[in-house]
Amino acid sequence: DAKTTQPPSMDCAEGRAANLPCNHSTISGNEYVYWYRQIHSQGPQYIIHGLKNNETNEMASLIITEDRKSSTLILPHATLRDTAVYYCIVRPPYGDSGNTPLVFGKGTRLSVIA
Amino acid sequence: GAVVSQHPSRVICKSGTSVKIECRSLDFQATTMFWYRQFPKQSLMLMATSNEGSKATYEQGVEKDKFLINHASLTLSTLTVASAHPEDSSFYICSARDSSGGYEQYFGPGTRLTVT
Repeated sequence: DAKTTQPPSMDCAEGRAANLPCNHSTISGNEYVYWYRQIHSQGPQYIIHGLKNNETNEMASLIITEDRKSSTLILPHATLRDTAVYYCIVRPPYGDSGNTPLVFGKGTRLSVIA
Repeated sequence: GAVVSQHPSRVICKSGTSVKIECRSLDFQATTMFWYRQFPKQSLMLMATSNEGSKATYEQGVEKDKFLINHASLTLSTLTVASAHPEDSSFYICSARDSSGGYEQYFGPGTRLTVT
């Protein structure tokens, strides 16, 4: 079972920041938070991941609370092409992963509106 | 970044026929690959874990005699849907884990199977 909880859907105006929340209250101390997105009829696309510190890359920023029980993915300037389902996933660290696959919850369907 | 390909991207077959889907890691080696299935408006559901040179591990409720998995090399895994039926129509997605030490999991673009 997925170890995360996300709102089923969100809307965001084009050009504005999209803030997608994720609750992972049972996360273990060595587990990472990963974010993927899936555009319609495509495979999942990696966005970003983090352990404790906030992370930023060319796609997004990831803000993890100090207690690590929740996080927020931020798309700073959402475009119509960002319309997708966004998945927040908790996974074991490198080396301990073994054959543990990524487990997908229901995700958040983000609709970016012109 | 690492690339995973799937072939075919889309296939339509008649009920009772078998369909083979290929998953390849193009620029890295993958001792482990995963197969997921996704029905419309639903999330990805793990079907099986494929290990190079050994038998696949299937999730509960997935028929191993119907969904035959072969992982014969470090860059190729195949999923064969035997005697496909309309209820097998779905979006099949493979994922490959980089064996070089990063253990990152990369996804293919998916294969849309329609059984008529």
